[in-house]
Amino acid sequence: GQQVMQIPQYQHVQEGEDFTTYCNSSTTLSNIQWYKQRPGGHPVFLIQLVKSGEVKKQKRLTFQFGEAKKNSSLHITATQTTDVGTYFCAPRHDKLIFGTGTRLQVFP
Amino acid sequence: EPEVTQTPSHQVTQMGQEVILRCVPISNHLYFYWYRQILGQKVEFLVSFYNNEISEKSEIFDDQFSVERPDGSNFTLKIRSTKLEDSAMYFCASSEGLRDWPYEQYFGPGTRLTVT
Repeated sequence: GQQVMQIPQYQHVQEGEDFTTYCNSSTTLSNIQWYKQRPGGHPVFLIQLVKSGEVKKQKRLTFQFGEAKKNSSLHITATQTTDVGTYFCAPRHDKLIFGTGTRLQVFP
Repeated sequence: EPEVTQTPSHQVTQMGQEVILRCVPISNHLYFYWYRQILGQKVEFLVSFYNNEISEKSEIFDDQFSVERPDGSNFTLKIRSTKLEDSAMYFCASSEGLRDWPYEQYFGPGTRLTVT
């Protein structure tokens, strides 16, 4: 089946530092969604990317879809403690195929 | 804001017992899902449901699992004879539509199932 890997698995940053997580697929994707899961919480939708090379911004978050539509990235500028959680990418084919996730810890 | 609800929040059961996990999806949504997440791992798809039937299921969703939409609001997941490895957080999700336009999936808070 389709595999979606994310790196890094864990990232610890000082508040104010930037953070990036990368999502890589073995196959070309028609779309990619990003979800955030706070510790002890449930996944919450952040964004969907569809077009090759697409870049979308949400305040301090920048999402990018690769030209070949096989990878994606999420970049957070100047992290805050509220950014703590696990970030999952998930191609959607009706069902969501969650990536392995990147757990972000932010130290004040 | 409308939300997906799940009950119970925590269920403890003995191996071999049947459990039913309940979900109330968002009222105008048409597509319903169950996922599970073993502690510390990624979220895994179990089953999708549309128009009163299963549209897709994963390898995890074997004969011990079943889903039902018994009325216009509830969506249930039944595990007939629980095993230790069924211990996980089970998330219900619903979506207004499919593909194309975001039609994000809205997740419930989850039911933590502990099989002893």
